[in-house]
Amino acid sequence: EVQLVESGGGLVQPGGSLRLSCAPSGFTFSDYWMTWVRQAPGKGLEWLANIKDDGAEKFYVDSVKGRFTISRDNAQNSLYLQMNSLRAEDTALYYCATYATCSGGSCYSLNDAFDIWGQGAMVTVSS
Amino acid sequence: QSVLTQPPSASGTSGQRVTIPCSGRGPSIGSNTVNWYQHLPGRAPKLLIYSNNQRPSGVPDRFSGSKSGTSASLAISGLQSDDEADYYCAAWDDSLKGVVFGGGTKLTVL
Repeated sequence: EVQLVESGGGLVQPGGSLRLSCAPSGFTFSDYWMTWVRQAPGKGLEWLANIKDDGAEKFYVDSVKGRFTISRDNAQNSLYLQMNSLRAEDTALYYCATYATCSGGSCYSLNDAFDIWGQGAMVTVSS
Repeated sequence: QSVLTQPPSASGTSGQRVTIPCSGRGPSIGSNTVNWYQHLPGRAPKLLIYSNNQRPSGVPDRFSGSKSGTSASLAISGLQSDDEADYYCAAWDDSLKGVVFGGGTKLTVL
């Protein structure tokens, strides 16, 4: 089954750190760009960061630059989001997603659309 | 304030056709393709339309997308109660060097 499973969410104090993980299955992780997207309570979807299939390129939204780091370990089949200097406004449901699309046992890249998503990991920043 | 602009709400009756617009600017919609997502809060978003007007496998042809200049739209025909959800447009923005989402449109089926 093609899926992504996030883990590592929880309650953290303002100024603290947390690392989210995303475990893929059912497709060749190392072939595809990956991304993190979040949704704060009562707000819309917000893209956070992208990472190229080989990890050589990364892009971030301004609001998390310098605080969050996206990374991946293709050997371990894992995607990460290291979050430092957390603020109350970082409280959100965090999703990992990929540009891969799979059907009938074969997968390919959609270039700039996210077809496979995890169920999300909740991060609450509060004292 | 989102880089891509969507109306906060839309509605229609069962069987009706509804259109959700999304407007942007040159570096985003004007220069790149638009994708549309359906989202029920707390659940994984679902890709409905990619590359302006393409449907992923499994998405019914009741959903269609179009783009002209710096505007795009999602059309849903034969509206069903299951279509009640939030809908988001998204595109790469060349100047921001990132993905931008619209603010989302909450669709109500009356």
